[in-house]
Amino acid sequence: GAVVSQHPSWVICKSGTSVKIECRSLDFQATTMFWYRQFPKQSLMLMATSNEGSKATYEQGVEKDKFLINHASLTLSTLTVTSAHPEDSSFYICSAPTSGGTYEQYFGPGTRLTVT
Amino acid sequence: RKEVEQDPGPFNVPEGATVAFNCTYSNSASQSFFWYRQDCRKEPKLLMSVYSSGNEDGRFTAQLNRASQYISLLIRDSKLSDSATYLCVVNTGNQFYFGTGTSLTVIP
Repeated sequence: GAVVSQHPSWVICKSGTSVKIECRSLDFQATTMFWYRQFPKQSLMLMATSNEGSKATYEQGVEKDKFLINHASLTLSTLTVTSAHPEDSSFYICSAPTSGGTYEQYFGPGTRLTVT
Repeated sequence: RKEVEQDPGPFNVPEGATVAFNCTYSNSASQSFFWYRQDCRKEPKLLMSVYSSGNEDGRFTAQLNRASQYISLLIRDSKLSDSATYLCVVNTGNQFYFGTGTSLTVIP
């Protein structure tokens, strides 16, 4: 199946710093990618929809100035957590749907962010 | 009303049991339906797409009921390795909607 990668897989940063997470579709092009956050023992929460060549669409309650999304190419979307705080510590996952009518979502392996 | 509703469980069943999960969706124009499996601290992985005619893959059967707007996943002869969270995903236009996930634990 299609492959989506994420980098880094794990990051620890100090409070107040910014962290960039990359999401790449390795063998297909994705005009749309999705970013999620998952706290322990909770379900995936959609944060935003990343659109290649245009602004991201954020879900209600997600601060767009804090979670900067850039979808610069058909295979890369980035999420930057700005001025991270301990409450931002979470598992961040991206996904991309394949095209061609099946619309199956392929998820990246996730990035575990710990803010100290 | 949420786009997709799913019973979060948890479901605790003995090995060998049959267990079924349902997911209801609110938009009758929804086009594609999927079941994903997520293991602890891992990303979700596609388990099955759900077709109008229903589909089966070994011990797993997925069904779609458009009239009542729900999809189901049936697991027969549960194995310990089936313990995971099962997510339903509904595609409507270019939007994807996720259920909250149903936690399944298969007990020896």
